[in-house]
Amino acid sequence: ETGVTQSPTHLIKTRGQQVTLRCSSQSGHNTVSWYQQALGQGPQFIFQYYREEENGRGNFPPRFSGLQFPNYSSELNVNALELDDSALYLCASSRTSGRDEQYFGPGTRLTVT
Amino acid sequence: LAKTTQPISMDSYEGQEVNITCSHNNIATNDYITWYQQFPSQGPRFIIQGYKTKVTNEVASLFIPADRKSSTLSLPRVSLSDTAVYYCLVGGGANNLFFGTGTRLTVIP
Repeated sequence: ETGVTQSPTHLIKTRGQQVTLRCSSQSGHNTVSWYQQALGQGPQFIFQYYREEENGRGNFPPRFSGLQFPNYSSELNVNALELDDSALYLCASSRTSGRDEQYFGPGTRLTVT
Repeated sequence: LAKTTQPISMDSYEGQEVNITCSHNNIATNDYITWYQQFPSQGPRFIIQGYKTKVTNEVASLFIPADRKSSTLSLPRVSLSDTAVYYCLVGGGANNLFFGTGTRLTVIP
């Protein structure tokens, strides 16, 4: 157990809908990163938040957005869901935005139909 | 952004030492090399990180040659529970967050 929690565990949405995924970081960590992992693939970096500001972004469209709150928990929002958005969404926290070890949560399995 | 290349899969018998090599020809001066382990339906778990030469912890060793264009993760005396996907990441800061396809290690009894 890493101390990073994610909710919900599973989610089913319809194409075109919007979804919000939540992550609580490990105590003492001020950085949260989000990843998308399709079946059989490695995790793909979506973005990172450091002290409530976006600190880096991967190759994802603007309909993927996020927030980090003063307690360093975070949300991932995805608008206009597409079938290809079906994946495991992972959240990871770290002490800082540097090269520190990342602690991953168990993920949220999103299915878009 | 440094890309990494790893073997897609490897098989090993229980009790053997396993070495997984990662190529990263475009590694930058400030980049570190980090390895993660992932079991099915779980998030990745940090194994080890290094910059150059050799790093060892309680679960693995990481060998990095002088040119740093590759690295080798060494797992001593693997057990069935080491069956997982192993990822090599290269970068620093927010750029140290790009996973490749990983190496699927299967440990055979």
